[in-house]
Amino acid sequence: DAEITQSPRHKITETGRQVTLACHQTWNHNNMFWYRQDLGHGLRLIHYSYGVQDTNKGEVSDGYSVSRSNTEDLPLTLESAASSQTSVYFCASSLDTSQETQYFGPGTRLLVL
Amino acid sequence: DQQVKQNSPSLSVQEGRISILNCDYTNSMFDYFLWYKKYPAEGPTFLISISSIKDKNEDGRFTVFLNKSAKHLSLHIVPSQPGDSAVYFCAAVFTGNQFYFGTGTSLTVIP
Repeated sequence: DAEITQSPRHKITETGRQVTLACHQTWNHNNMFWYRQDLGHGLRLIHYSYGVQDTNKGEVSDGYSVSRSNTEDLPLTLESAASSQTSVYFCASSLDTSQETQYFGPGTRLLVL
Repeated sequence: DQQVKQNSPSLSVQEGRISILNCDYTNSMFDYFLWYKKYPAEGPTFLISISSIKDKNEDGRFTVFLNKSAKHLSLHIVPSQPGDSAVYFCAAVFTGNQFYFGTGTSLTVIP
């Protein structure tokens, strides 16, 4: 069955370290998204991609980067982790840029000490 | 500024009764709205959607109502079941652009 997976599911890191969160989807969806979920803020968009080699900044992109070298993967990198980046991170994908439903991965819980 | 707002962080309802979850938005350009349901330690899952050309969409026990003049949508769950206990997010989008999510409402259905 097609799916969207995230790894790791839990991560503890130290301030200043570089961290990469993986997202892999097997639906052959063009669009992929990264969100963070924080209490009182709901889901906020970090970065998104509408296809290979395409990346765009979302609402809260500072301190994060993404790259899209193939259809299936959109890794999210925290260049220098900060305590403010402690959060739950969700990856999502959708087929195209019309009113397509986004399908979410199970999430990665990141703790920055 | 939060463009999509869910002003009730939590809601408790007796099993069998109606649950009404509310969502307000500020941007009149939004033309598509969705509700997602989220269980603990899982990703959000799509529940129901509505286009701005409609004012109601039903799917089984779930109905979404859209009032464009008031920039308000609501999700009705009838009858509510204990398995409906989850966090519900509303989302709004204008075609071809990103989704904007509300802050979520935690629904508890009491058996």
